[in-house]
Amino acid sequence: AQTVTQSQPEMSVQEAETVTLSCTYDTSESDYYLFWYKQPPSRQMILVIRQEAYKQQNATENRFSVNFQKAAKSFSLKISDSQLGDAAMYFCAYRSKNAGNMLTFGGGTRLMVKP
Amino acid sequence: DAGVIQSPRHEVTEMGQEVTLRCKPISGHDYLFWYRQTMMRGLELLIYFNNNVPIDDSGMPEDRFSAKMPNASFSTLKIQPSEPRDSAVYFCASRKGGSGNTIYFGEGSWLTVV
Repeated sequence: AQTVTQSQPEMSVQEAETVTLSCTYDTSESDYYLFWYKQPPSRQMILVIRQEAYKQQNATENRFSVNFQKAAKSFSLKISDSQLGDAAMYFCAYRSKNAGNMLTFGGGTRLMVKP
Repeated sequence: DAGVIQSPRHEVTEMGQEVTLRCKPISGHDYLFWYRQTMMRGLELLIYFNNNVPIDDSGMPEDRFSAKMPNASFSTLKIQPSEPRDSAVYFCASRKGGSGNTIYFGEGSWLTVV
């Protein structure tokens, strides 16, 4: 079974600075998808960014980018120019390409942004 | 395009009462998922449907929980009778068929059982 680990329960960043959230996962599969979801206080789960394991290029969405290290099974999220609205819980998630539809989530990292 | 729509957003009910949570997936999506989020267990998949058919309900905690999808645009998750330990945020999510497609979540239904 796949597992996803987020080792940082809480992180803090100064507004306009850069922060990196860590995620590692364990799988025996070679093809899969990785996601970062943001959950603000409203509790809605919002997709931030996704990465396909067969693509070597790191995904980027505006201020959000990932550092995908397939051999190390690491998938960190970098937030540049942090804004107050980035404060939220961030969840890393894994989905197998071939074996079902289940998203396996990490435990989450609470990001605080200081003005 | 409207997102996944859930109702109610918040519900407070007494132990023993029946609770029904509703979901309308994104139009054209043929997979629908019910997740539960608690502090203790994080996000757990309860059940998912493909083309209105339940595929995997192994995450449903016990017989008090049931889910239906009578058509492509509507699903319910029912808890009968409800217990305080059922208090959680319940998310409905959907995606289009095809292995690469992203799962999109609704805003969640926050259930409190007192």
